[in-house]
Amino acid sequence: GAVVSQHPSWVICKSGTSVKIECRSLDFQATTMFWYRQFPKQSLMLMATSNEGSKATYEQGVEKDKFLINHASLTLSTLTVTSAHPEDSSFYICSAGSQTSRIYNEQFFGPGTRLTVL
Amino acid sequence: AQSVTQLDSQVPVFEEAPVELRCNYSSSVSVYLFWYVQYPNQGLQLLLKYLSGSTLVKGINGFEAEFNKSQTSFHLRKPSVHISDTAEYFCAVSESGGKLIFGQGTELSVKP
Repeated sequence: GAVVSQHPSWVICKSGTSVKIECRSLDFQATTMFWYRQFPKQSLMLMATSNEGSKATYEQGVEKDKFLINHASLTLSTLTVTSAHPEDSSFYICSAGSQTSRIYNEQFFGPGTRLTVL
Repeated sequence: AQSVTQLDSQVPVFEEAPVELRCNYSSSVSVYLFWYVQYPNQGLQLLLKYLSGSTLVKGINGFEAEFNKSQTSFHLRKPSVHISDTAEYFCAVSESGGKLIFGQGTELSVKP
């Protein structure tokens, strides 16, 4: 149980285009989803936290107009990288958490999406 | 503010040897502590977690960790490593079960 999927697993796009990444909780309702960014050989940096039905909370230094996050349902959150540039190339990982007693206080991570902007 | 320090960026070890990956944290309140493993080009997998209770926590793949409040540490140990344990390991802290703060990661390299 507690499986999180991401789609696509990798994407290559041209500079200036927008890319949407989906994060789904497959067998539980995720009241909160988190989006992380990871550069090679580095740790995960939290970009934003989203609660179902409300606006995402962005970490300091993350451009909310560039990284659009939508959490419209309890099983789906999307991250859209708008007008992507080569410096946005990175590994994006989502995680999902729930308020249910079984898995409270734990986040479940998706497999990640490798974005390469040419 | 919370922070997590993983004291070793790389740990090379021979197969079947014991290993300890060190993690120290700072926080002004009670915390939840986690260890995750990441294989290349994959997401994170939870190894073990400390929420409360016994300070010795056992996880998957033979790993265990001990919560030491006085030393603000949560070191990860395994008595005998395998080649398949080669991966990146992240220690993380959360104050309320919400936002996770990660350490810098430790690359464990198990050699035959």
